[in-house]
Amino acid sequence: DTAVSQTPKYLVTQMGNDKSIKCEQNLGHDTMYWYKQDSKKFLKIMFSYNNKELIINETVPNRFSPKSPDKAHLNLHINSLELGDSAVYFCASSQDRDRNSGANVLTFGAGSRLTVL
Amino acid sequence: AQSVAQPEDQVNVAEGNPLTVKCTYSVSGNPYLFWYVQYPNRGLQFLLKYITGDNLVKGSYGFEAEFNKSQTSFHLKKPSALVSDSALYFCAVRVSRGGFKTIFGAGTRLFVKA
Repeated sequence: DTAVSQTPKYLVTQMGNDKSIKCEQNLGHDTMYWYKQDSKKFLKIMFSYNNKELIINETVPNRFSPKSPDKAHLNLHINSLELGDSAVYFCASSQDRDRNSGANVLTFGAGSRLTVL
Repeated sequence: AQSVAQPEDQVNVAEGNPLTVKCTYSVSGNPYLFWYVQYPNRGLQFLLKYITGDNLVKGSYGFEAEFNKSQTSFHLKKPSALVSDSALYFCAVRVSRGGFKTIFGAGTRLFVKA
């Protein structure tokens, strides 16, 4: 199936730990994103990468470090986890190569629910 | 600042009745507007978008949305609601700042009662 897949789906960890979430898309898209959805369901963009290059970094703490080894993968590493990091993290992708990039649709993964205790 | 607003946290409607989920936007230039739906424990799914042209846009699952430039609105509508339409609906605008990014509204929870 063509999709955006994230692992793990659930992650429970202690404050201060370091954890990673992985994302892969097989849609052939050139742009990938990380979004954070908080407990009130508010969605906020964190990062976007286009062809492995960081394009958008939305004033996210330095503890969050995205890495894109190739255009099909975008991983999120979080250091020194805090209680406020508890959220659902969504990976998404889109194809932004053409001049109508504003019209392009995001395809989302199913989310990774992070709980920090 | 470029943004979208969804004034209703929740919309309740009886099955078979028409539904409207409201969205207003604030962008410079021509807006690229979208509606996405999120079912429990799932990622967002695209419903429809407005880029240019006809102000009435038709999308998935019988949904449509009307772009109104003078009122800066993009309300989501469906003539006859189904219980299975119950979900969280997000209005979004795609803006360019370095690269393109999609900004979402706060979401509106739709409850359709049988």
